[in-house]
Amino acid sequence: DAGVIQSPRHEVTEMGQEVTLRCKPISGHNSLFWYRQTMMRGLELLIYFNNNVPIDDSGMPEDRFSAKMPNASFSTLKIQPSEPRDSAVYFCASGPGPTFGSGTRLTVV
Amino acid sequence: KNQVEQSPQSLIILEGKNCTLQCNYTVSPFSNLRWYKQDTGRGPVSLTIMTFSENTKSNGRYTATLDADTKQSSLHITASQLSDSASYICVVSATGTASKLTFGTGTRLQVTL
Repeated sequence: DAGVIQSPRHEVTEMGQEVTLRCKPISGHNSLFWYRQTMMRGLELLIYFNNNVPIDDSGMPEDRFSAKMPNASFSTLKIQPSEPRDSAVYFCASGPGPTFGSGTRLTVV
Repeated sequence: KNQVEQSPQSLIILEGKNCTLQCNYTVSPFSNLRWYKQDTGRGPVSLTIMTFSENTKSNGRYTATLDADTKQSSLHITASQLSDSASYICVVSATGTASKLTFGTGTRLQVTL
């Protein structure tokens, strides 16, 4: 198994632009998590899906953030419009475990 | 409020030496405790997972202990190697809340020659 696959690995975008992060979970895992990691706040849960259904989105910072899981093998996290304070590393993880992907480092300038 | 505190915040040791990292938690009701290793620029990788009934678990040179009574865990690294340089994160899960993992802020370990 290739593990949790995230793309892109790095993203640099201008403030106000739309950003879409992608995740392919491990086959057979029924839980999917999106986390954000910063130096100041560590790892924070943004949203949790179980069997493709969003169960807990209380960590999504504001309406600019949205996440979808159209099927068991794909999820997206979208930020629109992006702001400099969104700069962080975004991890997708699937469970049980959870097992983390390598992350997407987002820089908004 | 569920919290996980780790100490020390950072640590520098010589290659070949042993070290112990600490984790105290106030998560309730307790389900399990995980230790993750996170290399720079990578995602966290699970080292060990322990449930309430387990008080020690090993993974190679890594040995984790759990005292559910005092709500403390430790991660002991034996004969450290340069590749052990990483952040070590303690993560505690509460029963019935699959999404609510409480993360510690990690211990940054640097192993030097």
